[in-house]
Amino acid sequence: NAGVTQTPKFQVLKTGQSMTLQCAQDMNHNSMYWYRQDPGMGLRLIYYSASEGTTDKGEVPNGYNVSRLNKREFSLRLESAAPSQTSVYFCAGRRGSNQPQHFGDGTRLSIL
Amino acid sequence: DQQVKQNSPSLSVQEGRISILNCDYTNSMFDYFLWYKKYPAEGPTFLISISSIKDKNEDGRFTVFLNKSAKHLSLHIVPSQPGDSAVYFCAASAEFSGSARQLTFGSGTQLTVLP
Repeated sequence: NAGVTQTPKFQVLKTGQSMTLQCAQDMNHNSMYWYRQDPGMGLRLIYYSASEGTTDKGEVPNGYNVSRLNKREFSLRLESAAPSQTSVYFCAGRRGSNQPQHFGDGTRLSIL
Repeated sequence: DQQVKQNSPSLSVQEGRISILNCDYTNSMFDYFLWYKKYPAEGPTFLISISSIKDKNEDGRFTVFLNKSAKHLSLHIVPSQPGDSAVYFCAASAEFSGSARQLTFGSGTQLTVLP
């Protein structure tokens, strides 16, 4: 009963390096989301995918790209990492309207 | 501008007593509200939700109250247990955000239940 699975759990990058954060769900979610959480702040939406084949920007999309590879998988890419992108990243999915989002356990990313 | 505000960063209560966590919002278009609980090194876990057509929703020890005129919601936990110690996030969404129902989160309240 995996739910929403994020890989890796931890990562350290150097400024300018690129990396892709992976998210997969087995809960038949139609919509998927990427958030970042910084100290003292709530979760802020980076990108989301309302359905397979569509993606849209959220509140803080700069410096990121996403791919909704299929219904199960939604990846987040940092093309050229910056220290300001040091954060905890959460992926979430939701089955339908007025249903709660279900979250993965996060990826802790440090950029030096 | 913060559309969802949790003005208390922390709250301590005695085991067995009531915990009341508060949340205010500014966007009158919000029509669906949720509470999430988060333990360290884990993702947020859905706790309870309420639609704007209701003013109360109850699930076991957890009750959420919505006051639309005041743009205020609260989460009551009765009785509080040490295992309830976590960060609680309030979140809101609006129909205008489309089928994806984007959530706007508050900054969280750290609840500590003292044995």
